[in-house]
Amino acid sequence: GQNIDQPTEMTATEGAIVQINCTYQTSGFNGLFWYQQHAGEAPTFLSYNVLDGLEEKGRFSSFLSRSKGYSYLLLKELQMKDSASYLCAVRPLASGTYKYIFGTGTRLKVLA
Amino acid sequence: EPEVTQTPSHQVTQMGQEVILRCVPISNHLYFYWYRQILGQKVEFLVSFYNNEISEKSEIFDDQFSVERPDGSNFTLKIRSTKLEDSAMYFCASSNPLQGGLYEQYFGPGTRLTVT
Repeated sequence: GQNIDQPTEMTATEGAIVQINCTYQTSGFNGLFWYQQHAGEAPTFLSYNVLDGLEEKGRFSSFLSRSKGYSYLLLKELQMKDSASYLCAVRPLASGTYKYIFGTGTRLKVLA
Repeated sequence: EPEVTQTPSHQVTQMGQEVILRCVPISNHLYFYWYRQILGQKVEFLVSFYNNEISEKSEIFDDQFSVERPDGSNFTLKIRSTKLEDSAMYFCASSNPLQGGLYEQYFGPGTRLTVT
């Protein structure tokens, strides 16, 4: 089966650091993607991991451990505009079409 | 920057009617996808399309659904006889695995379908 878990909601303060976790069980693995989705809008690409370790991209970093089926997205220097849902998506190895399997998303509220 | 576009942004239809949702993927992309997101739920894969045919579909994508690339730019999703439970946001996405690198998917702004 395929299962991707994320916390439903998180709250953090402007200027702080927040870590959003994602655990997955899928039929093979060919990459894990993080997307940001503001309410009523399309998901937009943030970060990608295919090998173990940390990928840094400005205020956003993403970490992957394939042996643990675990990833996290780290957001630094939080801004009010970071209030959004953060979606973890896995690309199963078995898929030759590069489809995504999404988690339920984590709704992040950034407070002043 | 190139982007995926979708029309209409909002479609209201009566149960049993046919609807066609339209997408224009990014021009040099080769894989096209439809996903849906029921309000408050996760984004779900419906179908992928490559080389003018369906390459993979989910259990949701039953005989009521079809996709087509009628010309070199448009990619459509048709629901033949809509049901109340088809009410959702439908996202089109495209990617280009042959360009190397991440081959991440780019999503359109979505069409909100409301079936009454």
